[in-house]
Amino acid sequence: GNSVTQMEGPVTLSEEAFLTINCTYTATGYPSLFWYVQYPGEGLQLLLKATKADDKGSNKGFEATYRKETTSFHLEKGSVQVSDSAVYFCALIRNTGNQFYFGTGTSLTVIP
Amino acid sequence: DTGVSQNPRHKITKRGQNVTFRCDPISEHNRLYWYRQTLGQGPEFLTYFQNEAQLEKSRLLSDRFSAERPKGSFSTLEIQRTEQGDSAMYLCASSSRTGSGNTIYFGEGSWLTVV
Repeated sequence: GNSVTQMEGPVTLSEEAFLTINCTYTATGYPSLFWYVQYPGEGLQLLLKATKADDKGSNKGFEATYRKETTSFHLEKGSVQVSDSAVYFCALIRNTGNQFYFGTGTSLTVIP
Repeated sequence: DTGVSQNPRHKITKRGQNVTFRCDPISEHNRLYWYRQTLGQGPEFLTYFQNEAQLEKSRLLSDRFSAERPKGSFSTLEIQRTEQGDSAMYLCASSSRTGSGNTIYFGEGSWLTVV
């Protein structure tokens, strides 16, 4: 089957700390991988994506590399800000599919 | 591009009542999705439309739930005889491609509270 597993939160970091949120996946075929971010009371916003192995998605200082050998797509940021406080969701879609599969989300709080 | 629009944003209803949510996708997006999200969980797929055709339905979509997209533009999600377990955020999303590289764009969601 298809599924996404994220590291459990909540995660609390000090401003300017390094962030890693782990994501691993199970999928038939070769999926595309995504990170979405959700701010309180809002819908999900696309943060970054990668469509094939070894691709690196990046946006707003966040990065994630599609690792087929470890079936992972870990999210990283070198220096977090208070404004990065949100819930982060890893997701996949199969190449021939129409359905996105989401992880359970990881809550991040950045303190000044 | 005005983004995906959903309304109402919040709805409180008594158990047993019917509720309807509306979604206006990004213009020219022919694919539309409904998801449900409960507290502390990721979105769960409910149903998918390509133009006006409903092509996929999750088993989560019980017979009390019905979704339509009559002209291939906006969509409605109706829940009949609401139950407390229906309390959740209902997310609509749209896209213009399928498969690899597809990106879906979400609305801000419609919160349902059944009391």
